[in-house]
Amino acid sequence: DTGVSQNPRHKITKRGQNVTFRCDPISEHNRLYWYRQTLGQGPEFLTYFQNEAQLEKSRLLSDRFSAERPKGSFSTLEIQRTEQGDSAMYLCASSLARGTGQNGYTFGSGTRLTVV
Amino acid sequence: GQNIDQPTEMTATEGAIVQINCTYQTSGFNGLFWYQQHAGEAPTFLSYNVLDGLEEKGRFSSFLSRSKGYSYLLLKELQMKDSASYLCAVDPQASGGSYIPTFGRGTSLIVHP
Repeated sequence: DTGVSQNPRHKITKRGQNVTFRCDPISEHNRLYWYRQTLGQGPEFLTYFQNEAQLEKSRLLSDRFSAERPKGSFSTLEIQRTEQGDSAMYLCASSLARGTGQNGYTFGSGTRLTVV
Repeated sequence: GQNIDQPTEMTATEGAIVQINCTYQTSGFNGLFWYQQHAGEAPTFLSYNVLDGLEEKGRFSSFLSRSKGYSYLLLKELQMKDSASYLCAVDPQASGGSYIPTFGRGTSLIVHP
């Protein structure tokens, strides 16, 4: 297993365009998290899934943000009508449901979004 | 809710010891993580404390006091490659609570020769 994979690594888009990011978690991990991180700040939670169920989405930043995990494997995060304030690093992390603490959460390398 | 506080920046000399503190106030607590994050890279897992006390792992040690809502990460024999951001994160209660780890803003450690 190559760890958590995120694509693309970098995305530059014009304001108003839609963007979609993909995350492939570690295969045996059933929990998947999306975070946003801006410069000088820690990761800010957006949403998470257990298998295909989205268990928390109230902290998505606005209704322009949505996430899916249709088959309980990979996940996508979509931002519609992007704004300059959406520019950030978007991180995906995965974990096992049990014993998470002992193993930690494994992060992907992130997708850096720049909205111009 | 969760409130996690750690210093914004620290500097230290190569070969020295540095202690990075983290205080937290949370509605539920199961354990505390420390992560290391180099600029432009993903956070990587360093340690996880559930019980009070010090856990040592090579040059890095992590301490937890649940009653005081306090943790620290101790880095010994500092190397230049230790220059990074160190993130403190609370693992919430697993039973009946959320499973959402909450991160502090991170402490940027600069190691100089």
